[in-house]
Amino acid sequence: DVQLLESGGGLVHPGGSLRLSCAASGFTFSNYDMDWVRQAPGKGLEWVSAISGRGGRTYYADSVKGRFTISRDNSKTTLYLQMNSLRAEDTAVYHCVTVRGGDTRDFDYWGQGTLVTVSS
Amino acid sequence: DIQMTQSPSSLSASVGDRVTITCRASQNIGYYLNWYQHKPGTAPRLLIFASSSLQSGVPSRFSGSGSGTDFTLTISSLQPEDFATYYCQQSYNTLYTFGQGTKLEIK
Repeated sequence: DVQLLESGGGLVHPGGSLRLSCAASGFTFSNYDMDWVRQAPGKGLEWVSAISGRGGRTYYADSVKGRFTISRDNSKTTLYLQMNSLRAEDTAVYHCVTVRGGDTRDFDYWGQGTLVTVSS
Repeated sequence: DIQMTQSPSSLSASVGDRVTITCRASQNIGYYLNWYQHKPGTAPRLLIFASSSLQSGVPSRFSGSGSGTDFTLTISSLQPEDFATYYCQQSYNTLYTFGQGTKLEIK
């Protein structure tokens, strides 16, 4: 079975940094593009960032561009999100997701998420 | 960016009702439209991909249709476990965007 387990969330001051991890199992990790999606309290889902299977291509939402960096270690089957210059509006549950291979590119598996709280 | 607009934002319905949620894209996205169900404290769940394809394990009372800019999600006969928030999402380009969500509540 596919499993995605996020970790690394917590309370951080504005301007601080945090690194999220997502440990993946149950599938050939390097074959799949991976993304991060977040949900702020009381808000809807927001796509954050994407990375290709081999890590050569990365994409970011305008709201995090220049502050967040997505990466992956295929030898450890782990996805990362380095978050710098954190703001109150980055407070959210962060989910890692797998992107279905092929043309459709839907998010077929989701982790339970890790909560990031940015507050002084 | 492609904007996704769902309607209604909230909906009250009863068990057994037929429910339809609509999603409109700000530009032509072909059939690159997906639907997710989300319950508080859980991971979102993929229901429909590529506008009308049912994800494995999802009950057949869920169906999707549409192409271009206008899409619908239909639940043919609401069950108690279907009360949740539903999101559409475009996967036409990698700057994915979600609709604002439709909260389905028990009448």
